[in-house]
Amino acid sequence: SQQGEEDPQALSIQEGENATMNCSYKTSINNLQWYRQNSGRGLVHLILIRSNEREKHSGRLRVTLDTSKKSSSLLITASRAADTASYFCASTFQKLVFGTGTRLLVSP
Amino acid sequence: DVKVTQSSRYLVKRTGEKVFLECVQDMDHENMFWYRQDPGLGLRLIYFSYDVKMKEKGDIPEGYSVSREKKERFSLILESASTNQTSMYLCATYPYSYRVSGANVLTFGAGSRLTVL
Repeated sequence: SQQGEEDPQALSIQEGENATMNCSYKTSINNLQWYRQNSGRGLVHLILIRSNEREKHSGRLRVTLDTSKKSSSLLITASRAADTASYFCASTFQKLVFGTGTRLLVSP
Repeated sequence: DVKVTQSSRYLVKRTGEKVFLECVQDMDHENMFWYRQDPGLGLRLIYFSYDVKMKEKGDIPEGYSVSREKKERFSLILESASTNQTSMYLCATYPYSYRVSGANVLTFGAGSRLTVL
């Protein structure tokens, strides 16, 4: 299977804590993207990091990329209940290959 | 904002029925995709289209076909629905310019949850 893998599968934290999700992929990439999916809805793009970048920030999001290890991580700082969702990475070479997702639950 | 509209949020069909899932986008995007999402398996690409009347198989095309007669509309067809096609189906798009720039960010529809009995 070409599917990427995400770790952990599920994460439960309190509001204000940081959440870290990891993604591993299998092939060379041009970029890696992170998406969010609220329950029962479509995915929404969060951030894209190119293969020649090592770190990128967007608001409370921080993404890192290690192409030597074929891995990426998404950090959400100072999490909020509204961050409760599933998060997917998608690695891109000739096409997007999605990971299996991390379910994040942020409790008030 | 790009809008990707999937005509049916929830469908219940019987085994053997022909099922049409419609996707319409309003921003003139060339590339359109159909994904299937199942728990623990993530998103898997069924078919995609990069232009009117053009289509290419994705990773799991068996049991599905597609139609793209107009640029804004991409239809997924289940010729004879089976219970193992019960799933969430997601349509997504991006413009040609994104492919050129290497930033192929997808815009998704809200999804169509299909149950086949």
